[in-house]
Amino acid sequence: EAGVTQFPSHSVIEKGQTVTLRCDPISGHDNLYWYRRVMGKEIKFLLHFVKESKQDESGMPNNRFLAERTGGTYSTLKVQPAELEDSGVYFCASSKPGLAGAYNEQFFGPGTRLTVL
Amino acid sequence: ILNVEQSPQSLHVQEGDSTNFTCSFPSSNFYALHWYRWETAKSPEALFVMTLNGDEKKKGRISATLNTKEGYSYLYIKGSQPEDSATYLCAPLNYGGSQGNLIFGKGTKLSVKP
Repeated sequence: EAGVTQFPSHSVIEKGQTVTLRCDPISGHDNLYWYRRVMGKEIKFLLHFVKESKQDESGMPNNRFLAERTGGTYSTLKVQPAELEDSGVYFCASSKPGLAGAYNEQFFGPGTRLTVL
Repeated sequence: ILNVEQSPQSLHVQEGDSTNFTCSFPSSNFYALHWYRWETAKSPEALFVMTLNGDEKKKGRISATLNTKEGYSYLYIKGSQPEDSATYLCAPLNYGGSQGNLIFGKGTKLSVKP
């Protein structure tokens, strides 16, 4: 079974540019999560999809961040325009469906390391 | 907002040593606690999902216990090996059911010297 994949693995952009990160969850996993780790800090929740619907986006820092999951399969996270403080590692995770979804193991991708210069 | 504390921040041990570290969290409104093992540049790997007070789980040389009444969980590694070197993260849920998301601690970075 293929794991969670993320693309690109690294991205270096200049302040003001746009970047789009992609996550492909494990097939059949309805739950998809985005997290971010800024250097030296803990991993922080950004948002949670159940299929194509946003279940919780309380962790999104501001309206420069836009996440989509059209068709309920892969997801994209766009940052536009990027700022210096957006640098960090962006993780995607997926878990099996169900009413008790929060108790299910979350499978993480390797992350996308974003550097904004 | 949950406040999750992990201690120590880092730990250096010799191969063969047994070790343990702590995750502290608010004991009220507990739903579940996840433990992850994370090697830099790799995916965080789920170790355990713990839900009940007194839970004790084991995977090989790694085990974990949970005390929800006092708000802590211990992770134990018996006979540490160099390949155990990683950051160990704990993450309680902020809600149960289908809505919860993980609140991560900063982790304990373990280095095992051969």
